[in-house]
Amino acid sequence: GENVEQHPSTLSVQEGDSAVIKCTYSDSASNYFPWYKQELGKRPQLIIDIRSNVGEKKDQRIAVTLNKTAKHFSLHITETQPEDSAVYFCAASPYNNNDMRFGAGTRLTVKP
Amino acid sequence: EAGVAQSPRYKIIEKRQSVAFWCNPISGHATLYWYQQILGQGPKLLIQFQNNGVVDDSQLPKDRFSAERLKGVDSTLKIQPAKLEDSAVYLCASSLSSTYEQYFGPGTRLTVT
Repeated sequence: GENVEQHPSTLSVQEGDSAVIKCTYSDSASNYFPWYKQELGKRPQLIIDIRSNVGEKKDQRIAVTLNKTAKHFSLHITETQPEDSAVYFCAASPYNNNDMRFGAGTRLTVKP
Repeated sequence: EAGVAQSPRYKIIEKRQSVAFWCNPISGHATLYWYQQILGQGPKLLIQFQNNGVVDDSQLPKDRFSAERLKGVDSTLKIQPAKLEDSAVYLCASSLSSTYEQYFGPGTRLTVT
């Protein structure tokens, strides 16, 4: 089955700096790659997703890039703010939301 | 719209006891997921339903875990008997169909002592 690895496990940045989180996946059949944000004690929430027919997607300060050949995808957050502090999970799925496999998570801390 | 509802929010049991969790998805959502999230890890898919049929249960420990969604709406997840390693947050999620965004419930935090 699919195996998703996520790096780094923790990331600390200064407010206003950029943050990058990287994930690799093993199953070349995976075609849907969502990113979730989970604040302490709260439920995961989808922040952005990308499908395999697209190389990059942007939504305001958040962007995701996908390299199908190398089987890796990344989350980019620009102009970070303290409220961006949370755990971020990447995930991969061979078909839309079916059989979703999550990475282990990255704890992002944005220092004011 | 109302979100995904789960109950109970917290549960403490002793090992070898049984426990059941309940999930009510967002109205009209055909797809329902149960995840196990162990502290410090990402959610792990246990089972996925499409209406009342099982789409994927490859990671469900079937010797002790069972789940049902008899009328294609709400769902229950049961553990019998529980082990210490079952301590985790059990998240339920739903989506209109598998092509749409998953919405997560607040989770049930299970502690097995």
